[in-house]
Amino acid sequence: DQQVKQNSPSLSVQEGRISILNCDYTNSMFDYFLWYKKYPAEGPTFLISISSIKDKNEDGRFTVFLNKSAKHLSLHIVPSQPGDSAVYFCAARGGADGLTFGKGTHLIIQP
Amino acid sequence: SAVISQKPSRDICQRGTSLTIQCQVDSQVTMMFWYRQQPGQSLTLIATANQGSEATYESGFVIDKFPISRPNLTFSTLTVSNMSPEDSSIYLCSVFREPHEQYFGPGTRLTVT
Repeated sequence: DQQVKQNSPSLSVQEGRISILNCDYTNSMFDYFLWYKKYPAEGPTFLISISSIKDKNEDGRFTVFLNKSAKHLSLHIVPSQPGDSAVYFCAARGGADGLTFGKGTHLIIQP
Repeated sequence: SAVISQKPSRDICQRGTSLTIQCQVDSQVTMMFWYRQQPGQSLTLIATANQGSEATYESGFVIDKFPISRPNLTFSTLTVSNMSPEDSSIYLCSVFREPHEQYFGPGTRLTVT
């Protein structure tokens, strides 16, 4: 069963607008959540993370929101730029274990 | 962050052979992880490698197929043994950095023919 779900395989957003990427999880033992950006032929690049005891973390144009009761988190990118076009992965960690990844959302920023 | 390099960056191998992938980190780390990304799929954890102990494998992955070495705190290898076309994937190593971040190498793209 999929413990981390990204239900939108792709998302198209106009340059300058807000991109919102969503992620749901089922395992209540996850204590940290991370977002990664991945270009083809490269490894994932760490973007931002949030602890399960927080509900928001912000870093520049990137903000992650966590709704623990709904087991839902989202990544907001504002304003969206052409270089943001990539696949975004949501990942979750429980304790010292490795990460459990969602299937990714392909974000396309249109000029 | 962490600077992680992998060798080779890509390879094409014949069925039944083995390939060893190397991962080098720019500083000492306790925990290293190996992941696989099959075509069109997400990243899946293969095993956790701590220096001085046996690697811990996730469900569906076994040591005979994916032996791992961790001789020191900056280096690890993953071997893909007796390869079949289903092993065609990107293999990535990753390190954990406090407080709660993980960084990835550039990956090794393996094609098995």
